[in-house]
Amino acid sequence: AQSVTQPDIHITVSEGASLELRCNYSYGATPYLFWYVQSPGQGLQLLLKYFSGDTLVQGIKGFEAEFKRSQSSFNLRKPSVHWSDAAEYFCAVGERTGNQFYFGTGTSLTVIP
Amino acid sequence: KAGVTQTPRYLIKTRGQQVTLSCSPISGHRSVSWYQQTPGQGLQFLFEYFSETQRNKGNFPGRFSGRQFSNSRSEMNVSTLELGDSALYLCASSLGTFGNQPQHFGDGTRLSIL
Repeated sequence: AQSVTQPDIHITVSEGASLELRCNYSYGATPYLFWYVQSPGQGLQLLLKYFSGDTLVQGIKGFEAEFKRSQSSFNLRKPSVHWSDAAEYFCAVGERTGNQFYFGTGTSLTVIP
Repeated sequence: KAGVTQTPRYLIKTRGQQVTLSCSPISGHRSVSWYQQTPGQGLQFLFEYFSETQRNKGNFPGRFSGRQFSNSRSEMNVSTLELGDSALYLCASSLGTFGNQPQHFGDGTRLSIL
């Protein structure tokens, strides 16, 4: 069965530091890949998506993610974190041959001044 | 363009009652999905509707049901509420095919069961 793993439940970084959130997936083929962010009390907002082509994709709010087929990973990065980036981040996978959508369990990001 | 609208934002119910949650998708979106989010279980898929037909269903008991209307608006119903049903219920809409269309989420309905 397809699955999405976010190994880090919680990450704390200092404001201005770089960030990398990990995401690994289990799927027979290359799936559609997404990163979402959720602020407290709100729904999920799409940060970026990967369908095909260039393996480094740019998203909103200065985020980027790199797809690595050999590692079945789609890690999210940001060069310099802002206090407003504190939120919950979800990696998600959409099937190419079906119509299912799978979410990871999320990584909670705390930003300290 | 208006986003996904979920009503109500907050609900308090008691065990045994039933509840109906509403979701209005983004204009033009025909697919509506529902998720349950809890601290312990994360985001769990409930079901997806497309053109008034349920296309996918997650692993939830039959107490959870939904429907979609011709204008793509969707409702979710939970009968015989249990304490464990306390959660944030999120609705998401997308243009069409589930797998390759990003889902756009509403802010959710926070359901508390007393």
